[in-house]
Amino acid sequence: GIQVEQSPPDLILQEGANSTLRCNFSDSVNNLQWFHQNPWGQLINLFYIPSGTKQNGRLSATTVATERYSLLYISSSQTTDSGVYFCAVTNDYKLSFGAGTTVTVRA
Amino acid sequence: DAGITQSPRHKVTETGTPVTLRCHQTENHRYMYWYRQDPGHGLRLIHYSYGVKDTDKGEVSDGYSVSRSKTEDFLLTLESATSSQTSVYFCAISGQGKAYEQYFGPGTRLTVT
Repeated sequence: GIQVEQSPPDLILQEGANSTLRCNFSDSVNNLQWFHQNPWGQLINLFYIPSGTKQNGRLSATTVATERYSLLYISSSQTTDSGVYFCAVTNDYKLSFGAGTTVTVRA
Repeated sequence: DAGITQSPRHKVTETGTPVTLRCHQTENHRYMYWYRQDPGHGLRLIHYSYGVKDTDKGEVSDGYSVSRSKTEDFLLTLESATSSQTSVYFCAISGQGKAYEQYFGPGTRLTVT
């Protein structure tokens, strides 16, 4: 299967700070998704982004498919941004997940 | 939010007993999936379905079976639960309109004692 590496594994931010999370993958993909798992365990879809750039409020994402990486940007972080961020990819329909980046935002 | 429910949401069972988890969707999506989430492993695919009565194995299918007799329901069965199957189980669905974007249910926390 496709290998997915996320970095950094852990990130501690002060409220209001900006950050970048990275996802590298080992093969060409036709689907890439970013998820946020909140402290209650719920998986929330952030972006479906196999290529290009998207923005949703304070979050944005860019995928460079030819170079096999994706970036998730969090701007003006808030405590509600805390949780684990997962990147997941597929080249058919079975998602392969990275290990996640645990983000802690301190007030 | 995608209409996905899982039942039960929490279960404690003993080693050797059979367990069935249910995933129910109201979106009429073709594809349904079962994942497990464990510390240090992220989410891993157990089984998936690409239509009624059409299922296939994922990367960690040993000890699990699935059934899908209706579009809206996908069942995961542990024939004889073991402690290594203590985990959080997530169901997901995807249609075809958006090239397989997946949406996840709320999860079931299973503890095998």
